[in-house]
Amino acid sequence: DVKVTQSSRYLVKRTGEKVFLECVQDMDHENMFWYRQDPGLGLRLIYFSYDVKMKEKGDIPEGYSVSREKKERFSLILESASTNQTSMYLCASSPGTADQETQYFGPGTRLLVL
Amino acid sequence: AQSVTQPDIHITVSEGASLELRCNYSYGATPYLFWYVQSPGQGLQLLLKYFSGDTLVQGIKGFEAEFKRSQSSFNLRKPSVHWSDAAEYFCAVFRRTSGTYKYIFGTGTRLKVLA
Repeated sequence: DVKVTQSSRYLVKRTGEKVFLECVQDMDHENMFWYRQDPGLGLRLIYFSYDVKMKEKGDIPEGYSVSREKKERFSLILESASTNQTSMYLCASSPGTADQETQYFGPGTRLLVL
Repeated sequence: AQSVTQPDIHITVSEGASLELRCNYSYGATPYLFWYVQSPGQGLQLLLKYFSGDTLVQGIKGFEAEFKRSQSSFNLRKPSVHWSDAAEYFCAVFRRTSGTYKYIFGTGTRLKVLA
C-alpha cells in the first residue's frame, strides 16, 4: 500500500512564525501536491511538484513556498504565518504515469495560527 | 472555466436506504474522474475512478459510479448505506493539458446516516 505521512497531525503557531509542514511518500511517486481544505471550499491546490527540485504554483500559492530536495519528501513553508492560514493541510502523491493518475493522501495537518 | 460541481452540501439517509451523490463537471473532453471519501479528521481515501471503458465502475465498500458523457456527470451510488459510511465525499477530475497537470475537486457532500 502507498503510504503518505505528514509530520504533524496538529500544530499551533503564532502570527509571524515560520512554519514547516513535511510530507513523505514511500512509493517512489513522481508527483507530490499540497492542498488546503476549508469548509465549503473543498480542496484547493497550493503547489505541486512533478520532479525533484521542480515546482508549480497551484491555485492559491500566495503566502506559501515549497521545497522538494528529495523525491520522497515535499515540504510546505509558511514564511510568516497569518491567521487566515489556519486550515487543514493535505499532502498527496501520484505516480505520474498517464494511466495511473490516482492521488494518495496523507492524514492531514490541522494548523491553527493565533 | 473548468469546474466540478457537487450540488448537495449535506445529505441525510437512513441506514439501509440507497444513496446517490451527484457530481457534474465541465470540460471539453472526458477527463479522468474520481470519488474520494474523507472520514472525520482523516485524509482522503480513493473509492473509485474512471479513466475509460465501461461507464459503470465498481469501487471499494460497495460503492459504484456511472459516467454519463451526455450529462457530464459521474454520480456515486450505493444500494444500502451502512452507518460507517457517514463521511464527506469528494468528486474530482484530472486533466493533463499542455504538459501540466490539473486536478480539480468539488466542494464535497457530507453524508449523515440515521440509525
